[in-house]
Amino acid sequence: KQEVTQIPAALSVPEGENLVLNCSFTDSAIYNLQWFRQDPGKGLTSLLLIQSSQREQTSGRLNASLDKSSGRSTLYIAASQPGDSATYLCAVRAGNTPLVFGKGTRLSVIA
Amino acid sequence: EAQVTQNPRYLITVTGKKLTVTCSQNMNHEYMSWYRQDPGLGLRQIYYSMNVEVTDKGDVPEGYKVSRKEKRNFPLILESPSPNQTSLYFCASSLLGDRMSGANVLTFGAGSRLTVL
Repeated sequence: KQEVTQIPAALSVPEGENLVLNCSFTDSAIYNLQWFRQDPGKGLTSLLLIQSSQREQTSGRLNASLDKSSGRSTLYIAASQPGDSATYLCAVRAGNTPLVFGKGTRLSVIA
Repeated sequence: EAQVTQNPRYLITVTGKKLTVTCSQNMNHEYMSWYRQDPGLGLRQIYYSMNVEVTDKGDVPEGYKVSRKEKRNFPLILESPSPNQTSLYFCASSLLGDRMSGANVLTFGAGSRLTVL
């Protein structure tokens, strides 16, 4: 059964720092991996989707990489801002199974 | 504006009183899904639908029902709610069935916080 783990569970950084969030999954036969952002009490917003044939995707200050063979993905956030404070979740689609979410990393960017 | 709309956003009810959480999307998406989010357990899929009149169970379907009579609507029905169904519920949709395509992006509703006393 696919399991998705996100480390760390929480992270606090000063404004302006570059940071990396980690996501690992147990079944490497995935179709895609998505990174989402969730603000407190709000729904999820899709940030990036990486298909299984891709190595990375970029959107503005965000860069997501995918290493299927090792079962890992990273979300790199450059020049962090207080507005980046949120919970970041990754989710994988693998085979004929529901989308499996990690439990998220709660990020706080301190001004 | 393209969106997924859920109602109600907040609801407090009592054990056994049937309730329905509505979900509507205006993007002509074939795929719709319900999730619940609980502390320490993350997001878990309840039911999903690949198209009109096509529904299937997710990871945690017990105690829930769904229907897909129209493409835009996917209501979640709790026939006899119990306290263990107290949770934050999300509806989501995407253009293609996300079990088969590598190019889907899920759009989520804002969430419905349900408390069952």
